[in-house]
Amino acid sequence: QSVLSQPPSASGTPGQRVTISCSGSSSNIGSNIVNWYQQFPGTAPKLLIYSDNQRPSGVPERFSGSKSGTSASLAISGLRSEDEADYYCAAWDDSLSGPVFGGGTKLTVL
Amino acid sequence: QVQLQESGPGLVKPSQTLSLTCTVSGGSISSTDFFCGWIRQHPGKGLEWIGHIYNDGSPFYNPSLRSRLTMSVDTSEDQVSLKLNSVTAADTAVYYCVAMFQGVIVNWGQGRLVTVSS
Repeated sequence: QSVLSQPPSASGTPGQRVTISCSGSSSNIGSNIVNWYQQFPGTAPKLLIYSDNQRPSGVPERFSGSKSGTSASLAISGLRSEDEADYYCAAWDDSLSGPVFGGGTKLTVL
Repeated sequence: QVQLQESGPGLVKPSQTLSLTCTVSGGSISSTDFFCGWIRQHPGKGLEWIGHIYNDGSPFYNPSLRSRLTMSVDTSEDQVSLKLNSVTAADTAVYYCVAMFQGVIVNWGQGRLVTVSS
């Protein structure tokens, strides 16, 4: 069982806005930054959002992140078929002295 | 941007030791800009932090694996190694070497599938 909680699945139609939630605790999200990773089948995850809401270069503005208290969200606007992937949230955990992850959300573009 | 490449056996027998090496390029492991760690992903499952090691050689391990785990760093070769002993089928997973900057996993290796089976 993952330390951070995410819905196992999410879906939307092209052009829609989809949000994926991530819930944690005071030892992780509540006191540290949240990062999001995108993973396509058979490939390594890729950093999508860091420091709660920052996009690495090359990540489209359609992807955005937010955080409030011990929860965080990833929003994808103008959904495209190529956004179909697994999305993981992560945060440093002060109790473990290491990163913890959500169980992943499989995004389907209908 | 650092690149990471995992290497090592893809098949390990139960009760034996899983050994993987991560070679870093595009940056020096002696740098204070980043440190390396290992993440694994069981088939069809989520991500699990195994541990990480700072460039001074001090490791931090996931408590659930600590008793079986050893990590080391070779700064002369820009390599990080992982050894997990007494493996079982539950250790079958894709093992990723990662580069971490201020606690954020910024780069991932391509991953190495390790199967534990007799």
